[in-house]
Amino acid sequence: QKEVEQDPGPLSVPEGAIVSLNCTYSNSAFQYFMWYRQYSRKGPELLMYTYSSGNKEDGRFTAQVDKSSKYISLFIRDSQPSDSATYLCAMRGTNAGKSTFGDGTTLTVKP
Amino acid sequence: EPEVTQTPSHQVTQMGQEVILRCVPISNHLYFYWYRQILGQKVEFLVSFYNNEISEKSEIFDDQFSVERPDGSNFTLKIRSTKLEDSAMYFCARSLAGGMGETQYFGPGTRLLVL
Repeated sequence: QKEVEQDPGPLSVPEGAIVSLNCTYSNSAFQYFMWYRQYSRKGPELLMYTYSSGNKEDGRFTAQVDKSSKYISLFIRDSQPSDSATYLCAMRGTNAGKSTFGDGTTLTVKP
Repeated sequence: EPEVTQTPSHQVTQMGQEVILRCVPISNHLYFYWYRQILGQKVEFLVSFYNNEISEKSEIFDDQFSVERPDGSNFTLKIRSTKLEDSAMYFCARSLAGGMGETQYFGPGTRLLVL
């Protein structure tokens, strides 16, 4: 079983749609949860991070963590064509530096 | 957002050759990381480095790999004898500190192709 499983996509939505991106994990040691955005042939860019279960909102983005279910989500409201990218979930445990990534979900927002 | 730069942007090499990938520093960032991403696959952790020592390494980071800061400035990843399966994007990342919650800033990557 992979430590981090991400809904594979690809995902194609019309502009203005609400997007839900999801990951599950198996390692209970993961305590820090991140979402990265990666444009083609670029490095990952941190979008959001959270430590605890619950929701964290930043503009059109909401990160949700449910530690009891080992499930995290990223919601994008009012999606824009500029949101088109690959979204990566990532997690860290007590080994502070190492991030474990999901496979990524490629999102296309059509005008 | 702090900018991380990497050189070269692309590298083509023959199997068995040595390659050195470089990461240009952000002045006050002391923690360094290398990740790789094989085409179509996930980003994978290779190694973390602090105070001129490896902090942690993955099972991928075998004896063919090494890291150093040769002049206290650039952070390098060396692959001694490249294999076809080393073809990937290699990302350097840096953080101000090493805590679990520290943001790692990724460079744009070096695309390595081993023929």
